[in-house]
Parts: sequence; C-alpha cells; structure tokens
Amino acid sequence: EPEVTQTPSHQVTQMGQEVILRCVPISNHLYFYWYRQILGQKVEFLVSFYNNEISEKSEIFDDQFSVERPDGSNFTLKIRSTKLEDSAMYFCASTGEAVGSYEQYFGPGTRLTVT
Amino acid sequence: AQSVTQLDSHVSVSEGTPVLLRCNYSSSYSPSLFWYVQHPNKGLQLLLKYTSAATLVKGINGFEAEFKKSETSFHLTKPSAHMSDAAEYFCVVSDRGYGGSQGNLIFGKGTKLSVKP
Repeated sequence: EPEVTQTPSHQVTQMGQEVILRCVPISNHLYFYWYRQILGQKVEFLVSFYNNEISEKSEIFDDQFSVERPDGSNFTLKIRSTKLEDSAMYFCASTGEAVGSYEQYFGPGTRLTVT
Repeated sequence: AQSVTQLDSHVSVSEGTPVLLRCNYSSSYSPSLFWYVQHPNKGLQLLLKYTSAATLVKGINGFEAEFKKSETSFHLTKPSAHMSDAAEYFCVVSDRGYGGSQGNLIFGKGTKLSVKP
C-alpha cells in the first residue's frame, strides 16, 4: 500500500541553524501539507501546497519557513534559523482529492529538537 | 470557524470491554469529520471519516462513529477493546465544508486510550 515517508525520523540541531525536513508524498497525490505537534499540544496546520505553490499558510508559517517541491517526488520544509520553540514533531501529509472526502495521508513524522 | 473538542484526555478500559472516545465539533458548514489514530512512534492513520453520507460510519479495526448533528457530536466507539488499540486518538474536522475546495485539518487535543489486560 502506498505511504508517505519522511526523513530523518529525528533531527537534532543547534539554535540558529538551518534544517530541511524531507517528505515523499504518495506518488499520484496533488495536495501536500506540513503540520507540527509541539510536545503535549495539538497537531497544528502549517502550510498547504498545490500546483507548485503555497495554497495556504497559518500564522505559524512565517518568513523563517519555506517549502519546496524540488523534483517530482520530494516535498521539503526548510527552517532557515531554528529557534528553541521550533522543537516539535513535524508531519507531512498528502491527498489526491481536489474535491471530495478530504482525507489526508500522513507520514510517520520527523522529531526536531533544537538545542 | 471550525473546531473540535475531545472531552477526555485519557481513557482507560479493560480488554474486552467497550470503548467510547468523545468528540464535539463546531462548524459553520456541513462538516467533514475524521478520527485518526497514532500508535507510539508511528504516523497518523485514518480510522474513519464522515462526509455527509450515512451518519453511522464504520472504520478499520472494528471502530465506528456516529455523527449527531443535534448534539454536534462525533463519538468513536468499539464494542470490545483489544490490547493493540492502546494509542492516541484524534478527532479532526476539515476547515472547509463537504463539497467545497480542499481544506486543511483541524485537530483535537487527542485522547490517550489505555487498555488493561
């Protein structure tokens, strides 16, 4: 069964460093997402991406964040200068539906620890 | 605005007994509602979804949920808990109404289900 994959599973970085989190969505899907979950808090929407551009972004997704689909398979989230409060689990998701049931398929997540 | 409230942060049941995980929603539209499950160190897996068809929705692993508009509820149930059901469960609503454009998901805080032998 097709699935969303994410690498790395755990990333440790120092404050101020750049990190790139990688995702491979399900191959025929059209919409891609990043969500994050700070420990003990809700899963929160960060950004959605469709047709090679950002569809929507939340207030969390400030200028320090960017997303890219550099080739036909990868979808990346870059944080330019990490802060301690960026420590969280980051989930990638994808869906193939333009109009439909809206179910999103999630990857296993990348745990980002900023020290 | 759309939101979901999971009424219990932790539920503990004995193996073989029923499971009830409660969720209330708020939505300006005809909602799309989901339950996702997260096992330790695993991703979020879709259990079931409601998208304005039958109000009683059956999902994987014997779970089901009933959409009750009058109560704005979407509680998750299972007749008989299994040890493998121990996980965190999230009630989720799409921020768009069913039939509209592709939306983003809004998660509840989660309910941790423990199953005792």
